[in-house]
Amino acid sequence: SFELTQPPSVSVSPGETANMTCSGDRLATKYVSWYQQRPGQAPVLVILQDRKRPAGISERISGSKSGNTATLTINGTQAMDEADFYCQAWDSNTAIFGGGTKLTVL
Amino acid sequence: QVQLQESGPGLVRPSQTLSLTCTVSGDSISSGSYYWSWIRQPAGRGPEWIGRVYTGGFTTYTPSLERRVTISIDTSKNHFSLRLSSVTAADTAVYYCARDFGDSSPSFGFWGQGTLVTVSS
Repeated sequence: SFELTQPPSVSVSPGETANMTCSGDRLATKYVSWYQQRPGQAPVLVILQDRKRPAGISERISGSKSGNTATLTINGTQAMDEADFYCQAWDSNTAIFGGGTKLTVL
Repeated sequence: QVQLQESGPGLVRPSQTLSLTCTVSGDSISSGSYYWSWIRQPAGRGPEWIGRVYTGGFTTYTPSLERRVTISIDTSKNHFSLRLSSVTAADTAVYYCARDFGDSSPSFGFWGQGTLVTVSS
């Protein structure tokens, strides 16, 4: 079955760049979405179609993909960016989420 | 802007049926061509997509839950619903309703705040 793999955690210092990856078989042929979830809140869509940013999402957030690995990048990381981040793609008409990466800003 | 709100019992007994409703405001559920989804998230884990209903009533479900799930839409009440039968403790989770982003993107662009459902006797 189709799976998306994310590292459990990423830690950065304030002002640094945070990179979070998402890998899966045949991901090169699928669009990837990314969601940010702060504690006690619903997920928020921050990237769709690999690299598009919805209105209102910080320009410090960007998405990219190379082969079967997608990457979410946050430039100039701030304390407010601390959250869980989930990638998501569609396979056989089913939405699949990755296990999530916890971003810690030290 | 469209808003979604889940409602339903917070406690369900094992083997019973979980029933939730998602009320849509800020727009008519029958306007446009959108997919309306249910997604759940057990404590400490990632989201799990349950299934979705199209504005016209067509449904698709995740294979692992397909035998127990029914999602329906009621355009007269501007809401859509989830029924999950034969629940066990493994079905305990925060349940979210969501709508796709639009512009031909199936990403989940709009979410409800979520409602915790506990399965326990």
